[in-house]
Amino acid sequence: AQSVTQLDSHVSVSEGTPVLLRCNYSSSYSPSLFWYVQHPNKGLQLLLKYTSAATLVKGINGFEAEFKKSETSFHLTKPSAHMSDAAEYFCVVSQDTGFQKLVFGTGTRLLVSP
Amino acid sequence: DSGVTQTPKHLITATGQRVTLRCSPRSGDLSVYWYQQSLDQGLQFLIQYYNGEERAKGNILERFSAQQFPDLHSELNLSSLELGDSALYFCASSVRTGTSYNEQFFGPGTRLTVL
Repeated sequence: AQSVTQLDSHVSVSEGTPVLLRCNYSSSYSPSLFWYVQHPNKGLQLLLKYTSAATLVKGINGFEAEFKKSETSFHLTKPSAHMSDAAEYFCVVSQDTGFQKLVFGTGTRLLVSP
Repeated sequence: DSGVTQTPKHLITATGQRVTLRCSPRSGDLSVYWYQQSLDQGLQFLIQYYNGEERAKGNILERFSAQQFPDLHSELNLSSLELGDSALYFCASSVRTGTSYNEQFFGPGTRLTVL
């Protein structure tokens, strides 16, 4: 069975500094991986997805993630944090067994200070 | 705005009661998924429908049921409610099923509070 582990429950950065949110995955075969963001009292929005086309994936709002099979990692990065990036981020793996079930990590809350 | 709508936005009810949550998928999407987000369990997949038929079940309690109607909207029915059912319930939709990289578009959620 697939699973994801988000290594940090909270990450605090200052505005303008880099962001790194860590995610490791476990999968018996080549997975599809996603990062979703949830702003307070809002639904989930897709930031980016990895589907085996390219290991470096660019998403919306300046975020990107690199798929590293040897490390079973899919870390999310952004060069410079904005106040509006403060939110909960979920690393997600898709279980493809004839249907698409998303398995969510426990989430990382990103705090951005001025 | 994802194009997925959910009603109601908030629901407050008492233990033992029954409620129905409604979801309208994006235009053209045939697959509907239900998820539960709680402090205890995080975000969990409940059930999936594709073009009116149940396709997959996750951690859905027997007290919960769902259906997808011919117009593709879906309803999640929660009965004999318990305090622990208090959570945010999300609906998501995607174009089709069977392909792992299909993006799922999430609605804004229904916040259920059981008193």
